[in-house]
Amino acid sequence: DADVTQTPRNRITKTGKRIMLECSQTKGHDRMYWYRQDPGLGLRLIYYSFDVKDINKGEISDGYSVSRQAQAKFSLSLESAIPNQTALYFCATSDSRARGGNQPQHFGDGTRLSIL
Amino acid sequence: GEDVEQSLFLSVREGDSSVINCTYTDSSSTYLYWYKQEPGAGLQLLTYIFSNMDMKQDQRLTVLLNKKDKHLSLRIADTQTGDSAIYFCAETLYGNNRLAFGKGNQVVVIP
Repeated sequence: DADVTQTPRNRITKTGKRIMLECSQTKGHDRMYWYRQDPGLGLRLIYYSFDVKDINKGEISDGYSVSRQAQAKFSLSLESAIPNQTALYFCATSDSRARGGNQPQHFGDGTRLSIL
Repeated sequence: GEDVEQSLFLSVREGDSSVINCTYTDSSSTYLYWYKQEPGAGLQLLTYIFSNMDMKQDQRLTVLLNKKDKHLSLRIADTQTGDSAIYFCAETLYGNNRLAFGKGNQVVVIP
């Protein structure tokens, strides 16, 4: 979905480095999410934000932090990357004001992160 | 709990129908969704069903919902090679605040 843009698309880095993954959206949605995807484990929620200044932990927030700089931007940071954080990371958005309460999430194309 | 169960792998011949199943947990889920993930891409919303419906048809896709058994299925008619992907079901949680995703079902279409 081109309306949700993730950068970078691929990143290889070393253990202990600080990494930031960026997400921006042009959909005008108020809610944003960060997930990681690992083979056989599906999608796991890391953090989510319902608006600027609202940050909530998901299932697996340890080792990660986020910043909602503006309604359209939500970044994910790994303060000191470790190899088991190697995964595919997805940003998603949803609109709490959607008609009838139907609030599907819309995904970016993902960031493939490898930590050596 | 938030466990959404899906079987992991399905192979199907081109032109046949394929059926992917999902079991969800939250009986108060308002919407249930099916997403498709092609290689190297994000999740694309395929279709959804509102919880007061038991069937929804959208071109080659048919969604069936059995609320009593908390069972959701996706049928793809006349499966094509472009349907090869991972399919995720998702349910709404906590009054529509979040989605819980299944682990995905990989569909491989054999020409």
